Amino acid sequence: AQTVTQSQPEMSVQEAETVTLSCTYDTSENNYYLFWYKQPPSRQMILVIRQEAYKQQNATENRFSVNFQKAAKSFSLKISDSQLGDTAMYFCAFPDYGGSQGNLIFGKGTKLSVKP
Amino acid sequence: NAGVTQTPKFRILKIGQSMTLQCTQDMNHNYMYWYRQDPGMGLKLIYYSVGAGITDKGEVPNGYNVSRSTTEDFPLRLELAAPSQTSVYFCASAGADTQYFGPGTRLTVL
Repeated sequence: AQTVTQSQPEMSVQEAETVTLSCTYDTSENNYYLFWYKQPPSRQMILVIRQEAYKQQNATENRFSVNFQKAAKSFSLKISDSQLGDTAMYFCAFPDYGGSQGNLIFGKGTKLSVKP
Repeated sequence: NAGVTQTPKFRILKIGQSMTLQCTQDMNHNYMYWYRQDPGMGLKLIYYSVGAGITDKGEVPNGYNVSRSTTEDFPLRLELAAPSQTSVYFCASAGADTQYFGPGTRLTVL
């Protein structure tokens, strides 16, 4: 069975500093995608970044970047120059290739607080 | 560019009542999904659709029904609401291996 694990229920960081959120997953697939979604207090699910497993280069979107370690099945999210607006729940997600068509399996989330 | 829209944003139901949560997308995506999110948890799949006229159950389908008569619309029907259905409901559509979510509907069943 495919699983997604986020081992940090809560984290905090000072404004302008860098923070890394961890995610591990388990799959027998070789080609796949991985995603980080942000859920601010408004509850909107916002795509932060996605990584394609066949690409060795780590994905980057402005202040957000990933450290993708395929052999270790690790997919961490690094937020640089943290801003107050980054305060949110962050979910790592992975497509359920063995089940429903493209359904995402979500981790339990990490609550990130950015402090002024 | 509306993306995925959901109505209503909030709703309170009494036990045993029924309602339909509306979801519309304007991205011409074939794949659409309904998830529920309980407090402190990630999302769980209720139903999904791979195209107009085709739907299938997800992980937690009991108490819900869906239909997909057009590419754009994917309504979720709750019959005989129960307190266990108190949750936030998200609709999503998928294109190019990426899912895009609506703003969610917060439902309370009392």
